[in-house]
Amino acid sequence: EIVLTQSPDTLSLSPGERAILSCRTSQSVWRRYLAWYQQKPGQAPRLLIYGSSNRPTGIPDRFSGSVSGTEFTLTISNLEPEDFAVYFCHFYGTSRTFGQGTKVDVK
Amino acid sequence: QVQLQESGPGLVKPSETLSLTCTVSGGSINSYYWSWVRQPPGKGLEWIGYIDDKGNTNYKPSLESRVSISVDMSNNQFSLSLRSVTAADTAFYYCARQATAYDALDIWGQGTMVTVS
Repeated sequence: EIVLTQSPDTLSLSPGERAILSCRTSQSVWRRYLAWYQQKPGQAPRLLIYGSSNRPTGIPDRFSGSVSGTEFTLTISNLEPEDFAVYFCHFYGTSRTFGQGTKVDVK
Repeated sequence: QVQLQESGPGLVKPSETLSLTCTVSGGSINSYYWSWVRQPPGKGLEWIGYIDDKGNTNYKPSLESRVSISVDMSNNQFSLSLRSVTAADTAFYYCARQATAYDALDIWGQGTMVTVS
């Protein structure tokens, strides 16, 4: 089973700053099968990125995804107040698993 | 737009069966895959399994012996059944949609809390 390890556990930043979140896979995976979700308290997760770097309709372009080897990265440029939340990565290949989450909170 | 809504008992006794239904509105259940994901309070997400519109299923191996997912095309619903529950099954349960077996979960229900006690 693929294991996803997210880092850091918590990222404390101020509005306007850039957030860089990491998700490492335990083995090489096809980039097509990696997504990122945002979850706010009391809400369901929301799809932000699929296929490592694609944004669904309606997701602001300050959210971007990239990959280098087994490290997938979610970058949030210019943090808005509504971006403070928990972010999960998700592998949806032959085995399906989520990372443990990174909380982005206000510094 | 498509919306998903979970329904079912919020409290289940240990050793009994947890049963939840997800109702799809604003669109057809045809031509998509439908998943269940759960999240213990304050913890991470766990994929449980999915079903397609033909009734083909795929379950998380560690849950496969206890879980069943079914689809009711006539009512635009799909359901989760989890047998022999324990306190470890206490969680928020979400239903979600994916376009194919190998797509991300693009639409989610609001979730429903199930406590095993």
